[in-house]
Formats: sequence, C-alpha cells, structure tokens
Amino acid sequence: QKEVEQDPGPLSVPEGAIVSLNCTYSNSAFQYFMWYRQYSRKGPELLMYTYSSGNKEDGRFTAQVDKSSKYISLFIRDSQPSDSATYLCAKFSGGYNKLIFGAGTRLAVHP
Amino acid sequence: GAVVSQHPSWVICKSGTSVKIECRSLDFQATTMFWYRQFPKQSLMLMATSNEGSKATYEQGVEKDKFLINHASLTLSTLTVTSAHPEDSSFYICSAKGHLSSYEQYFGPGTRLTVT
Repeated sequence: QKEVEQDPGPLSVPEGAIVSLNCTYSNSAFQYFMWYRQYSRKGPELLMYTYSSGNKEDGRFTAQVDKSSKYISLFIRDSQPSDSATYLCAKFSGGYNKLIFGAGTRLAVHP
Repeated sequence: GAVVSQHPSWVICKSGTSVKIECRSLDFQATTMFWYRQFPKQSLMLMATSNEGSKATYEQGVEKDKFLINHASLTLSTLTVTSAHPEDSSFYICSAKGHLSSYEQYFGPGTRLTVT
C-alpha cells in the first residue's frame, strides 16, 4: 500500500464550481500535510499545509485533515481557469526530510 | 523570498554522455537540498537528500554512481547524470530548505532532460 493515495483524475469543472480534491494516507507519524500546485512543466509550489487535524483556510482554498479516516482534502471555492493545474498532496515519512507525494490530480477549469 | 533556480531548464544530450544540472537557492542558505525525478503524468519521487558539505543520501533503487550529487556550498547543489541513457529522460526537480524551517521545502522550476 502506498503511503499516500490520490486519484489522478483528470477533473474538469466549469468556472465558479467548488472543487474537492482528496487523498488518503497510511502512516500517521509526522503530522504536517501539504498541498502543492504544479503548472505544466514547472516545479511545484506550496499552496497550503495543515498540522495535525482540522481545517485551514486561505482565501478560496481550504485544507482539511481527518485523522480518524486518514483523509486529506483540499477545497477550492469559486474556481477560476487560472486554477487549472496538477494538485499534489504530500506528507512526511521517516522524518522531515522525506516528502511522499500523491500521484497528483489534474484539474481543468473551463470558462 | 525563498527562490530556488535550476539551470538549465531543458537539455538534450546523446546517449553515453554526462550532463550536469545546477540548483541554487537565491535568497537563503540551503542547509539541505533534495533532488526529485518526475516522469510524465506521474508524481515526484525523491532521489536523494544532501546536506552542505556531506555526502548525499540516496533513496532505495537510485544508483549513486550514476546520479552524482554535490552540495559544496549553502547555495548550490549539482546533479550529474553520468553515461545517460534514453530511460534517464525525465523532469528533474530540486528543492531546498534552510536551517530556520524544519519542514518547508522550496522547489526549483525543474530541468527537462532528453537523452537521444
């Protein structure tokens, strides 16, 4: 079983839709959970992170961790075409030097 | 702040030759740098971790003699792909973190390597 599982999509939504991106994980140690956004042929950029359980909101983005079900979610409200990218969830494994990434979900927001 | 650059952004080389990729932290001192590899439509896989002045630690399955990593200063790490073959064609991404951050890594823009 992979430490982080993520549906690769693709996911296509109309502009203005609420997007839900999800991951599951299998190891509860090192409780930072990260969401990265990667545009085509670019390096990933950190979008948000959460520590332990609960919600964190930043503008149109909300990150959520449910430790009881080992579920990580990222919600995008009022999605825009500029949100079209691949979204990767990640968590640490064996220390804060090793990031394990999910497969990434490709999102397309069409006008 | 926290900008990481890579050079070159893309490179084409012939099979059997070596190619060097540079990763620089532009506005902070990177005590630890990381090298990842990403195949098309796949996720990032950590290849190795390096601390300034120390030998790199390679992930299982990564050939240390083929992927030479040097982290000679607090702002520069290099990855040399030796005797490259077409199967080494991939997107190589570095990241870096400073001593003030226990967890946050800053990623470079990546280098696309094509071996013909």
